[in-house]
Amino acid sequence: DTGVSQDPRHKITKRGQNVTFRCDPISEHNRLYWYRQTLGQGPEFLTYFQNEAQLEKSRLLSDRFSAERPKGSFSTLEIQRTEQGDSAMYLCASSISRWGSALTEAFFGQGTRLTVV
Amino acid sequence: AQSVTQPDIHITVSEGASLELRCNYSYGATPYLFWYVQSPGQGLQLLLKYFSGDTLVQGIKGFEAEFKRSQSSFNLRKPSVHWSDAAEYFCAVGAKAAGNKLTFGGGTRVLVKP
Repeated sequence: DTGVSQDPRHKITKRGQNVTFRCDPISEHNRLYWYRQTLGQGPEFLTYFQNEAQLEKSRLLSDRFSAERPKGSFSTLEIQRTEQGDSAMYLCASSISRWGSALTEAFFGQGTRLTVV
Repeated sequence: AQSVTQPDIHITVSEGASLELRCNYSYGATPYLFWYVQSPGQGLQLLLKYFSGDTLVQGIKGFEAEFKRSQSSFNLRKPSVHWSDAAEYFCAVGAKAAGNKLTFGGGTRVLVKP
């Protein structure tokens, strides 16, 4: 297992275009999270999945953002009609959650750096 | 709502000197606390975590952190810094009731002088 994998690592797009990012979590992990990190800031939570169910979305996630995890394995994050303010690092993380068990740590991918020009 | 404050934006330390990074959290129940490190352009690597039990936690790369409930703090320490420790460090709080999502502080950038 090579850990959490994100693709692409870098994306430059013109304002108004749509972009899609992919995250492959650690294989046995049932929880998957998306975070956004702008320059000089800590990561901010966007959304998370338990298996294929999207359980929470942050208010940061505007209607232009959509995330899916169709088979409970990999996930995609799509941004429609990108704006310059969307420029950030998008981080994916995964963890194991079992009913009745304590919190376990999240493992992060290398991130996708988005630049909107 | 949970929150994390890292009061120091930048810290410069000489190689071989000790390092302490401050972290204060706000959370209504028992917090789960983490320290992550991030090198430029990279993802986050977990240094250590506190869930319960012994309040002094040992992590990787010679780091340790101490949970002090009375001060709502979880400060990170290393006795002797190496040049490779230059990076950005993030403190985070998580809660099972909040779906295990993490709330991060703003980070502390550590510069190491030779």
